Amino acid sequence: DAGVIQSPRHEVTEMGQEVTLRCKPISGHNSLFWYRQTMMRGLELLIYFNNNVPIDDSGMPEDRFSAKMPNASFSTLKIQPSEPRDSAVYFCASSLTSGGSETQYFGPGTRLLVL
Amino acid sequence: AQSVTQPDIHITVSEGASLELRCNYSYGATPYLFWYVQSPGQGLQLLLKYFSGDTLVQGIKGFEAEFKRSQSSFNLRKPSVHWSDAAEYFCAVRGGSNYKLTFGKGTLLTVNP
Repeated sequence: DAGVIQSPRHEVTEMGQEVTLRCKPISGHNSLFWYRQTMMRGLELLIYFNNNVPIDDSGMPEDRFSAKMPNASFSTLKIQPSEPRDSAVYFCASSLTSGGSETQYFGPGTRLLVL
Repeated sequence: AQSVTQPDIHITVSEGASLELRCNYSYGATPYLFWYVQSPGQGLQLLLKYFSGDTLVQGIKGFEAEFKRSQSSFNLRKPSVHWSDAAEYFCAVRGGSNYKLTFGKGTLLTVNP
């Protein structure tokens, strides 16, 4: 049973470049979350989708960040242009909405380094 | 607003010793509580969760946690630590009707041989 799949696992880019992170949630899950993990701020929720619709994007740092979920099996997080302070580990998680008892399952993360 | 405090940033134990990682939460109603573990360079793996019922919850890898409403705590325990348990442990809280999972800052566990 495949878990949440993220790609790439590692990304090194230069400031100003566009970065696209990808996520495939667990099959059958209808909620998807993007998190960012840094030493300073810990784990932060960036955006939450339910049934492919963005429900809460209040955690997205600024307009340089955007996320899409074109279908139930794929989501992207894009940073354009990237900056060194965007360096972090980005996690995708998915869950099945079930009246409150849902559990989020995390992918392995994408380690992003912006030079 | 919900919040989680993990008072211990770093804990070192000897292999075979018992372990308790502390977690205190703040939430106005009945919380849903989770413990995740993150090995170096890996994602977060769910160890156990509490939604309702028995306040002592069993998880994977021999871990257990006890929900104490009076103390707003959900401490993680293991009777005998193995070297492979070295990792970072995160406590998290969510409301019943709230999707938002709030994490503590984590506790890094080092296991000495």
